[in-house]
Amino acid sequence: GNSVTQMEGPVTLSEEAFLTINCTYTATGYPSLFWYVQYPGEGLQLLLKATKADDKGSNKGFEATYRKETTSFHLEKGSVQVSDSAVYFCALIPLGNTGKLIFGQGTTLQVKP
Amino acid sequence: NAGVTQTPKFRVLKTGQSMTLLCAQDMNHEYMYWYRQDPGMGLRLIHYSVGEGTTAKGEVPDGYNVSRLKKQNFLLGLESAAPSQTSVYFCASRPKDRGRRQPQHFGDGTRLSIL
Repeated sequence: GNSVTQMEGPVTLSEEAFLTINCTYTATGYPSLFWYVQYPGEGLQLLLKATKADDKGSNKGFEATYRKETTSFHLEKGSVQVSDSAVYFCALIPLGNTGKLIFGQGTTLQVKP
Repeated sequence: NAGVTQTPKFRVLKTGQSMTLLCAQDMNHEYMYWYRQDPGMGLRLIHYSVGEGTTAKGEVPDGYNVSRLKKQNFLLGLESAAPSQTSVYFCASRPKDRGRRQPQHFGDGTRLSIL
């Protein structure tokens, strides 16, 4: 079946540190891949996406590359800020046209000044 | 610029009570979804709709019913609430497209506690 696995959190970093949140997936064919972010008390916001192999999604200094060979979509940022503290969800939409998202369990990021 | 609006934002129910959560979107989206979010489990799909008058089961549909009488509204009902339904509920919508590239837009959630 289709599934998404994220690294367990929480991840605690100092401001300006480098961030990597690992995400791997299992799916048939070529799913579309997404990262969503959830700030405290809010809903989910799309952070970035990639729809085919070797695509790189980027937004607000975050990047992730669709790696078909390793079935991965790791999230990276070169220098995190306190305002990046949130829960990050990796997700995929498998083949089919209903657009159902399949989420990983989420990774909590806490950035300390 | 409302996007996806969920009401209510918070609710406490007693076991056995019923209630309806309302989701409204003003983006003319065809597809709408209801998820529940539980600690350590991410978001799980309860029901979804691909258009007005249509609904389908998701991953965890038991104990819930839905209706989509109008394109802009998607209602989630609990007929007889149980403590296991204590969760944060999110509604999402997205436009119909030719592929799977369109992201879903989420509401701010409804925090529901069943005592």
